[in-house]
Amino acid sequence: DAMVIQNPRYQVTQFGKPVTLSCSQTLNHNVMYWYQQKSSQAPKLLFHYYDKDFNNEADTPDNFQSRRPNTSFCFLDIRSPGLGDAAMYLCATSPQPDTQYFGPGTRLTVL
Amino acid sequence: QKEVEQNSGPLSVPEGAIASLNCTYSDRVSQSFFWYRQYSGKSPELIMSIYSNGDKEDGRFTAQLNKASQYVSLLIRDSQPSDSATYLCAVSSGSARQLTFGSGTQLTVLP
Repeated sequence: DAMVIQNPRYQVTQFGKPVTLSCSQTLNHNVMYWYQQKSSQAPKLLFHYYDKDFNNEADTPDNFQSRRPNTSFCFLDIRSPGLGDAAMYLCATSPQPDTQYFGPGTRLTVL
Repeated sequence: QKEVEQNSGPLSVPEGAIASLNCTYSDRVSQSFFWYRQYSGKSPELIMSIYSNGDKEDGRFTAQLNKASQYVSLLIRDSQPSDSATYLCAVSSGSARQLTFGSGTQLTVLP
């Protein structure tokens, strides 16, 4: 059974049109992470939640926001997607800050 | 700036051989070390974690850690074509244990 679920798996949006990516987990893990991974590059941490405590990486653009309404769900909002935001977006969870388990990812295309 | 460096590859080995993947890290206070496997177009999959100096074996995989040299490696014995993937080294440090990833080594196992 899938434990970290991301929806949609593929998302196409237009330049400047807001988009929301979803992550849910059945593991009851405290920590949830959002990463951006561009082709042939390492995953880059955007931000993470430890319970309801939000932690933004210093170089994450303001264009990226996140919400965690409850333990199970976390959302990534891209307010005005640019062509450079086309990437795989990965959600990961952890029972405590350490070993991380990744969802299948959402591939974002910006037209 | 925390850095994780991997031998860039690509690395090709014949089926049945030992594949050796290497990683160095810059942050001396790093606490936990991970190897993830990532197939093309898929999300990273955790295959090994190691926390203390020495070797850790799991099936055909052996992780080796040397904190004095800031070096971690992954050996894959009896390599199979299904092992062909990109292998990501990840290091966690800091109170929030964020992961810093290397850029990955692409491994091809030739039948």
